[in-house]
Amino acid sequence: AQKITQTQPGMFVQEKEAVTLDCTYDTSDPSYGLFWYKQPSSGEMIFLIYQGSYDQQNATEGRYSLNFQKARKSANLVISASQLGDSAMYFCAMRESSSNTGKLIFGQGTTLQVKP
Amino acid sequence: SAVISQKPSRDICQRGTSLTIQCQVDSQVTMMFWYRQQPGQSLTLIATANQGSEATYESGFVIDKFPISRPNLTFSTLTVSNMSPEDSSIYLCSANRGRGELFFGEGSRLTVL
Repeated sequence: AQKITQTQPGMFVQEKEAVTLDCTYDTSDPSYGLFWYKQPSSGEMIFLIYQGSYDQQNATEGRYSLNFQKARKSANLVISASQLGDSAMYFCAMRESSSNTGKLIFGQGTTLQVKP
Repeated sequence: SAVISQKPSRDICQRGTSLTIQCQVDSQVTMMFWYRQQPGQSLTLIATANQGSEATYESGFVIDKFPISRPNLTFSTLTVSNMSPEDSSIYLCSANRGRGELFFGEGSRLTVL
C-alpha cells in the first residue's frame, strides 16, 4: 500500500494567488515526521518545511505552511502569493520513527506551474 | 547549517563502465545517505553510509552494484558499477541537520548510453 499519496500530478496557479498541494499518508507508527521538498528542473531537492507528528501547531516557513490534519492523515502544503519561481515539482515525504533518520518515503510528486 | 556539494553534476557514460560520485558536506555528520531518482519517478533510498563501518543497503540494492565509501565524517562516494541504461537517474547525497530535516546535494544526473 502507498504510504505517501499525492493525488495531483499537475497543478496550475495564477501568479500572486495561493495554492494547496495535497498529501495523505499512512502509518501505524505514532511518531513520524512529514516533509515537503521542491525540485526545480535542475534536479536539486530543496527542503521547504517539516512537521512532527507531535507538534501542536502547523509548521510555517515564510510563504509555505503545512496544513496538518492528523486524524485525516493529511499534510497539505499551502504556498501563498505564488511566484513564477515556484514552478517546480513538489514532493511530500514521511519518516517513521522506526526507520533510520535518513530514510524518507516519498510521494510521486506534484508538478506546479505558476502562470504570469 | 551545512551545505552538501556533489560532483559530477552530470555525466554521460557508456554501458559497462563505472562512475564514482563524490559528496562533500561542509560540517561533520554521523550518517550520509544516497538516493536514486529514476526518470519521472520519486526518490528511493539506496543506502546509509556510516563512517568506519560498511554501508547499510536497502532492499533491492547491493554492494557489488553500488559500492560506497565513507572515509571521514564529511565525505562519501557512491560508485555505480557496470552501468546499463536502466541506471540512468539522478543520484542524490543527503544528510540530517537540525530537527532531523534531511537536506540534499544538487544531485548527479547520470545518462548511460
